[in-house]
Amino acid sequence: QVQLQESGPGLVKPSETLSLTCSVSGGSISGYYWSWIRQPPGKGLEWIGYIYYSGSTTYNPSLQSRVTISVDTSRNQFSLKVSSVTAADTAVYYCARFGVLSSGKHYMDVWGKGTTVTVSS
Amino acid sequence: EIVLTQSPATLSLSPGERATLSCRASQSVSSYLAWYQQKPGQAPRLLIYGASNRATGIPARFSGSGSGTDFTLTISSLEPEDFAVYYCQQRSSWPETFGQGTKVEIK
Repeated sequence: QVQLQESGPGLVKPSETLSLTCSVSGGSISGYYWSWIRQPPGKGLEWIGYIYYSGSTTYNPSLQSRVTISVDTSRNQFSLKVSSVTAADTAVYYCARFGVLSSGKHYMDVWGKGTTVTVSS
Repeated sequence: EIVLTQSPATLSLSPGERATLSCRASQSVSSYLAWYQQKPGQAPRLLIYGASNRATGIPARFSGSGSGTDFTLTISSLEPEDFAVYYCQQRSSWPETFGQGTKVEIK
C-alpha cells in the first residue's frame, strides 16, 4: 500500500525559502503524476503544482514565480521549494499522488498526512 | 480561472438523514470533477472522481452526479463518521481549483 510522508522545517523566516520533501513508500514513484497542495489555517485547499515522474512540471500561475517542484526517482521522492515566503505562505502542506484515471484525467487518491509550515521571524 | 461555489456552507443534519451537497462551476468542467472528504487534523480523502465514480473503499451511501456546471454529492444516510468538510475540485482547466467547502455537522 502506497504511503506518502512530508518532511521539512516547520518554521521558516520571512523572505527565505521553504523546502519540503515527500517520500513515497510501498510503491514506485515512476509512472505517476505527483502533487503539492496547501491549506492555510482554517481555510480551504490550494493547488500548488504537480510533477510527472519524468520531471515535467505544471505550477499554479499565482505561485509560479516562486515555486519549484522536482523529483528524485532514485530516492523515490519529490520536493517543493517556495522562495521569498511571507506569512501568507503559512499552511499545512500536503503531497499527493494522481493514481486514479477517468476519461483521460487523473485524480489524487493517496495523500500524505500533511506538514505544518509557519512563516515567522 | 474556474471558480467552484459550494452550497450550503454548513449543513446541519442528524445521523440517518440524507445529505445533498452542491458544487457549481463558473464555466463547464465537463465531468472532470472530484469530491473529497476532510476530517479535522486529517488529509483530504478522495470520495468521487469523474463526477460519479466512487473511489476504492468508499461506501455505496456516497454518490455523485452532474456534468457541465452543476454537480451534487449525496450521502444517502449519514453515519457518525460522515460528519466532516467536503470539497469539490475541478480538473478541467489549469489552475485546477477547489470549492470553499461544505461542512456537514451534527444537528
